[in-house]
Amino acid sequence: QSALTQPASVSGSPGQSITISCIGSSSDVGSYNLVSWYQQYPGKAPKLMIYEVSKRPSGVSNRFSGSKSGNTASLTLSGLQAEDEADYYCCSYASSTNVVFGGGTKLTVL
Amino acid sequence: QVQLQESGPGLVKPSETLSLTCAVSGYSISSGYYWGWIRQPPGKGLDWIGNINHSGSTYYNPSLKSRVTISVDTSKNQFSLKLNSVTAADTAVYYCVRDFSGYGLFDFWGQGSLVTVSS
Repeated sequence: QSALTQPASVSGSPGQSITISCIGSSSDVGSYNLVSWYQQYPGKAPKLMIYEVSKRPSGVSNRFSGSKSGNTASLTLSGLQAEDEADYYCCSYASSTNVVFGGGTKLTVL
Repeated sequence: QVQLQESGPGLVKPSETLSLTCAVSGYSISSGYYWGWIRQPPGKGLDWIGNINHSGSTYYNPSLKSRVTISVDTSKNQFSLKLNSVTAADTAVYYCVRDFSGYGLFDFWGQGSLVTVSS
């Protein structure tokens, strides 16, 4: 069982916006602004999309944004495109285990 | 551009030790940052194993700590993973990563190495 809880799947139509939640606790997401998000295509290594809750690495589209409220972090994708279809994982620093991941969310673009 | 490349046996017998090495190019490990391992069982999510910094300080997932050793060889610019007493549950794709912060900011990843535990 993952330490962070994500929905197993989300879906949206091209052009729409979707949000993926990542529910943690006061020992991880709630206490540290150290949440990151990763995109993974089948058979490929994950790619960093968001770090420190809301910062985007160079080269990542501004259609990706992150936020946090209490123990819940969120990843929002606006203007959905077919190429966004992938698995998404949240990750947080945690006082007890150093690093914890969410179970992953499969995004389907309808 | 930083590149990481895993190498090691793709098949390990139960109860034996899994050993992987990650060769780093484009950056000198001795210059800083954290270097670690993440695994992903087939069809499942990501699982952080641990990391090491350029000084040799290590940090492990408590659930694996008793079986894991991560070490660094700055002369070869590579770091390694050893996981002992493996079982079928350790079958996974193992990724080596650079952790920019030491807090789970994995900015560079290897391509991944599938390790199967089977007799």
